[in-house]
Amino acid sequence: NAGVTQTPKFQVLKTGQSMTLQCAQDMNHNSMYWYRQDPGMGLRLIYYSASEGTTDKGEVPNGYNVSRLNKREFSLRLESAAPSQTSVYFCASSGLAGVAKNIQYFGAGTRLSVL
Amino acid sequence: AQSVTQPDIHITVSEGASLELRCNYSYGATPYLFWYVQSPGQGLQLLLKYFSGDTLVQGIKGFEAEFKRSQSSFNLRKPSVHWSDAAEYFCAVGVGDYKLSFGAGTTVTVRA
Repeated sequence: NAGVTQTPKFQVLKTGQSMTLQCAQDMNHNSMYWYRQDPGMGLRLIYYSASEGTTDKGEVPNGYNVSRLNKREFSLRLESAAPSQTSVYFCASSGLAGVAKNIQYFGAGTRLSVL
Repeated sequence: AQSVTQPDIHITVSEGASLELRCNYSYGATPYLFWYVQSPGQGLQLLLKYFSGDTLVQGIKGFEAEFKRSQSSFNLRKPSVHWSDAAEYFCAVGVGDYKLSFGAGTTVTVRA
């Protein structure tokens, strides 16, 4: 039972390079999320997708784009990476019915360094 | 706007001693409340949740939390800490549209 899978686990980029972080869940969840985690700041929401075919901005969307490819997959793209985007990125999903929709399940994270 | 405050950045506790982590929230409606734990290099794991009903909730790994509406608090407790409880702990509030707002986290160090 894989849950939420993120790839890659680690990545080093040069300023200006682009990359896509991949996320897939096998729990048949409707909603998916991308967060970044920085020391002393907790997790901040970048983008989320409440259901397949929809995406919305979170707290810190600048410099990022997302694609909800299908119900299982939600990718995060950095078009032109900047050192300020050095962070740990987490994907999460939630779904099912009722209040359980508020329970989010997290992947193991992608550690990104932009030089 | 909603916010979550974890006043303690770092707590050190002896193995076998009790642990309490504080969480205060600011939110206009009745909140959904969560505690997550993150071991080094890992993702976040749900410890427990409060949606409604009994204000004392039990979670995994021997943790419990108490919701106090009058104090806007949701403090996490464990009676006897094990070395494996060393981790970072995050309090979170459900803020509608299934989104969560997280506190900055509390790092727990367990000394032998």
